[in-house]
Amino acid sequence: AQTVTQSQPEMSVQEAETVTLSCTYDTSESDYYLFWYKQPPSRQMILVIRQEAYKQQNATENRFSVNFQKAAKSFSLKISDSQLGDAAMYFCAYEETSGSRLTFGEGTQLTVNP
Amino acid sequence: ETGVTQSPTHLIKTRGQQVTLRCSSQSGHNTVSWYQQALGQGPQFIFQYYREEENGRGNFPPRFSGLQFPNYSSELNVNALELDDSALYLCASSPDPTGVSYEQYFGPGTRLTVT
Repeated sequence: AQTVTQSQPEMSVQEAETVTLSCTYDTSESDYYLFWYKQPPSRQMILVIRQEAYKQQNATENRFSVNFQKAAKSFSLKISDSQLGDAAMYFCAYEETSGSRLTFGEGTQLTVNP
Repeated sequence: ETGVTQSPTHLIKTRGQQVTLRCSSQSGHNTVSWYQQALGQGPQFIFQYYREEENGRGNFPPRFSGLQFPNYSSELNVNALELDDSALYLCASSPDPTGVSYEQYFGPGTRLTVT
């Protein structure tokens, strides 16, 4: 079974600074998808960024980028120019290509300090 | 375009009772997945429905059951509630579970408290 591990229960960053959230996963599949979701106190799960395993290029969405290391099974999220609105719980998630069952990590609580 | 909606927002039940949670999928989506998120943890996959049939199930007992209707809305039923069933229940919809991966759109969740 696939597993997703987030080893940082909590992280903090100063406004306008850069922070990196870590994620590792375990799978025997060669094709899959990886995601970072944001869950603010409102509880709504919001997709931040996605990465297809067959793509070597790291995904980027505005201030959010990933460092995808397939051989190491590592998928970190970098948030640049952090904003107060970035404060939330961040979840790393894995999805097999053949289905849409998401396997989530335990989450990292991000605090942004003014 | 209407997003994913869930009802009710909050619910308090007593141990041993039964509960039904509801989810309306986003327009054009025929697949609904349910997740259980215990406090301080990541969501756990319960099951998925595709065109009114169960299409995958996580490690949850049979007292967790579901339905999907012709309009692709869905229900999650939990019988014989236990204290550990207290959690946030999330519903997510997507266009199709096979082939190319599509983004799953999540609803705001139903907070269930079992006393």
